[in-house]
Amino acid sequence: QVTLRESGPALVKPTQTLTLTCTFSGFSLSTSGMCVSWIRQPPGKALEWLALIDWDDDKYYSTSLKTRLTISKDTSKNQVVLTMTNMDPVDTATYYCARQYSSGIDYWGQGTLVTVSS
Amino acid sequence: DIVMTQTPLSLSVTPGQPASISCKSSQSLLHSDGKTYLYWYLQKPGQSPQLLIYEVSSRFSGVPDRFSGSGSGTDFTLKISRVEAEDVGVYYCMQGIHLPQYTFGQGTKLEIK
Repeated sequence: QVTLRESGPALVKPTQTLTLTCTFSGFSLSTSGMCVSWIRQPPGKALEWLALIDWDDDKYYSTSLKTRLTISKDTSKNQVVLTMTNMDPVDTATYYCARQYSSGIDYWGQGTLVTVSS
Repeated sequence: DIVMTQTPLSLSVTPGQPASISCKSSQSLLHSDGKTYLYWYLQKPGQSPQLLIYEVSSRFSGVPDRFSGSGSGTDFTLKISRVEAEDVGVYYCMQGIHLPQYTFGQGTKLEIK
């Protein structure tokens, strides 16, 4: 059974750095073809893909946010970490991690709401 | 970036009736490997998105066969043959051909009459 769970602060101040952790089970990020993505959704708005890391430790970032994002993995802990610097109120959103494998982005975590406010 | 445009943005359907959602991409989603990387997701109220259709027309595990996807190149359609109450939510198409920028459509909200 594939599960993913996001964790991190619910509230961050403007200009701070956000660190989110995705802890997963039911698959291994060392399996060829396996990837984990981060996707966010501002309240009442559409989904926005942020970043991806694959089994070979290749990393991909949204072109509009790449200067602020860093994605990394700890395969032994079954975790993927996303950091986003210089947070702004417009970054208020639910942040999801999701698995990508042979059927595309197939399993999602339940999401974690991050509010940016002073 | 590839822009994904969905129509309509909302629809209200009587249970048992069909529904159709269109998704158009600004570039072809046909990859040189022969696959077309177009996906459909449903986000039910208060839930995470769930994968319905991958690579245009393949239903994901456990997805009822009343859901079907079709299309090619830049034009795609999701059809629900007979809408049920549990189908309410927001439907998103997504292109997965272009890293590092996967993009989603704006979403189509399905309501039951």
